[in-house]
Amino acid sequence: GEDVEQSLFLSVREGDSSVINCTYTDSSSTYLYWYKQEPGAGLQLLTYIFSNMDMKQDQRLTVLLNKKDKHLSLRIADTQTGDSAIYFCAESHAKAAGNKLTFGGGTRVLVKP
Amino acid sequence: DVKVTQSSRYLVKRTGEKVFLECVQDMDHENMFWYRQDPGLGLRLIYFSYDVKMKEKGDIPEGYSVSREKKERFSLILESASTNQTSMYLCASSHQGNSYNEQFFGPGTRLTVL
Repeated sequence: GEDVEQSLFLSVREGDSSVINCTYTDSSSTYLYWYKQEPGAGLQLLTYIFSNMDMKQDQRLTVLLNKKDKHLSLRIADTQTGDSAIYFCAESHAKAAGNKLTFGGGTRVLVKP
Repeated sequence: DVKVTQSSRYLVKRTGEKVFLECVQDMDHENMFWYRQDPGLGLRLIYFSYDVKMKEKGDIPEGYSVSREKKERFSLILESASTNQTSMYLCASSHQGNSYNEQFFGPGTRLTVL
């Protein structure tokens, strides 16, 4: 079955860049996502990338996709204290009934002043 | 704005009790999902529904059931709560026609079973 893996924790200084990594096993993934969960809240979609792309940039966020290695990363430039959250990588594929997503375990990002 | 609401933010129940978790969405979404979130394990899909009265098992359905009598409401039922069902429960919904499958999440219900 599908599997999505992430490291558990990342600590970064305010103003530095953060890079969160994710690996997945399903080669038929059509979309890959980064969701953000702030303390006490549900998840919010941060960004997504279609599987035929290798990069997507959106303001401070850069998503890189290496399909050959099944590796996805999220880079946050000029990290702010408000970026402290849990970040989840997720994937879906065209055959998934009901638009199911498979999530990784989440990476807790702590931004230090 | 899409809104997904869950009936309780915190719930404490006793072992053996029947527990109902309610989820309502206001965007006429066809798909609705129940996940549980545990540290280091991420979100694991319990059940989902792609239409009224339709339900599909997710990855960890054991000990749970669901009900979808109306399009906007999706209920998760713990028939006889056990301590290993202590967790954060997240509901989500999505539009079937959405090209990139975005799911919208509720704030979660933290359930403690004593």
